[in-house]
Amino acid sequence: EAGVAQSPRYKIIEKRQSVAFWCNPISGHATLYWYQQILGQGPKLLIQFQNNGVVDDSQLPKDRFSAERLKGVDSTLKIQPAKLEDSAVYLCASSLVRTSGLYNEQFFGPGTRLTVL
Amino acid sequence: AQTVTQSQPEMSVQEAETVTLSCTYDTSESNYYLFWYKQPPSRQMILVIRQEAYKQQNATENRFSVNFQKAAKSFSLKISDSQLGDTAMYFCAFMIQSQGYGGSQGNLIFGKGTKLSVKP
Repeated sequence: EAGVAQSPRYKIIEKRQSVAFWCNPISGHATLYWYQQILGQGPKLLIQFQNNGVVDDSQLPKDRFSAERLKGVDSTLKIQPAKLEDSAVYLCASSLVRTSGLYNEQFFGPGTRLTVL
Repeated sequence: AQTVTQSQPEMSVQEAETVTLSCTYDTSESNYYLFWYKQPPSRQMILVIRQEAYKQQNATENRFSVNFQKAAKSFSLKISDSQLGDTAMYFCAFMIQSQGYGGSQGNLIFGKGTKLSVKP
């Protein structure tokens, strides 16, 4: 079974530029997550989708960050314009949606390391 | 709000020995999950072990075991017979358990991590 795919693996941009990251979840996984991991910290959830609907985007800086999952499969996270503090690893994860009471493991992709100069 | 604290930024252990990583958390929830994730230099987060808060028995996965103290809100990871491949960042994480449709899914709240080095 193929894992969560992300691209690019690395990206270097200058501040005020735009950047986009792509994620393809595990086949059949209805739930998709984007996490931001700043150096020296644990990942922090930015946004959670179930199919193509947003479940939680309370920690997404909506003035500069946007995300979409139009067909309920792959997803794109965009930053426009980027700031120095956006330098981080952006992790995508996916999980199944099963019957109530069961735990759904989140499977993570390899992440995209963004450097903003 | 839930918080997860890992007080050991770095630890080292000799190959084949045992090491324990500490984690404390704070929550007012009664039903939740606790996790230990491993993140090697490749950056991919890998689930090591999971503990349901309602279970009194400590979880075990091969060389990995936890000491879950619910009243103290403590959740430590013990790695026995340490191997060079165990070298990685280890993150403690928390998730609220949901009984609704779709099961438990959602925000994983992570600690800052402990960098473990296994020395030959």
